[in-house]
Amino acid sequence: DVKVTQSSRYLVKRTGEKVFLECVQDMDHENMFWYRQDPGLGLRLIYFSYDVKMKEKGDIPEGYSVSREKKERFSLILESASTNQTSMYLCASSNLYQETQYFGPGTRLLVL
Amino acid sequence: AQSVTQLDSHVSVSEGTPVLLRCNYSSSYSPSLFWYVQHPNKGLQLLLKYTSAATLVKGINGFEAEFKKSETSFHLTKPSAHMSDAAEYFCVVTASGGSYIPTFGRGTSLIVHP
Repeated sequence: DVKVTQSSRYLVKRTGEKVFLECVQDMDHENMFWYRQDPGLGLRLIYFSYDVKMKEKGDIPEGYSVSREKKERFSLILESASTNQTSMYLCASSNLYQETQYFGPGTRLLVL
Repeated sequence: AQSVTQLDSHVSVSEGTPVLLRCNYSSSYSPSLFWYVQHPNKGLQLLLKYTSAATLVKGINGFEAEFKKSETSFHLTKPSAHMSDAAEYFCVVTASGGSYIPTFGRGTSLIVHP
């Protein structure tokens, strides 16, 4: 059974803290994605990676960075957390051409 | 360029009645279309996908969708709603020949009344 795991289900951080969200997939997928989900806005793409050390900006990259040192792991970094980054963060992976995405359970982040 | 419009932010039905969730898309290339479901506090799960084979696609849990190129639509239907169908539903488009980065609709919340 395919699996995408995220390091935390719930996270509470203070403004200005550096935050790491980790995502691991066990399907040997090339593509990995980070989204944020907010009510009424659907899923918005933050960053996308199609290979180790490769990344592309999505629709809302400001305030975020990513790291992909190994194929199975894709990290999202909030360099200095702000209250407007309070959200649900979803990680997904897909095979290069199959297009079906497999999602992790999400991390609900609260920035105080 | 590609885009997806889910025409209803909320749909409310009674248990046992039909479900219709509407999705229109635009794409410069031949599209692949998906419906995902998200139950409360869970990640998204694939319901069904269209990738240029049969235009009527059957998915899990009795859902199906029909690709209509002339109407640029990919509406999701189910003959009889169950309470367990209450969830958020997302329509998604990608385009072969494009970048394969999916574009999501804003979601439709399905409410099922007993």
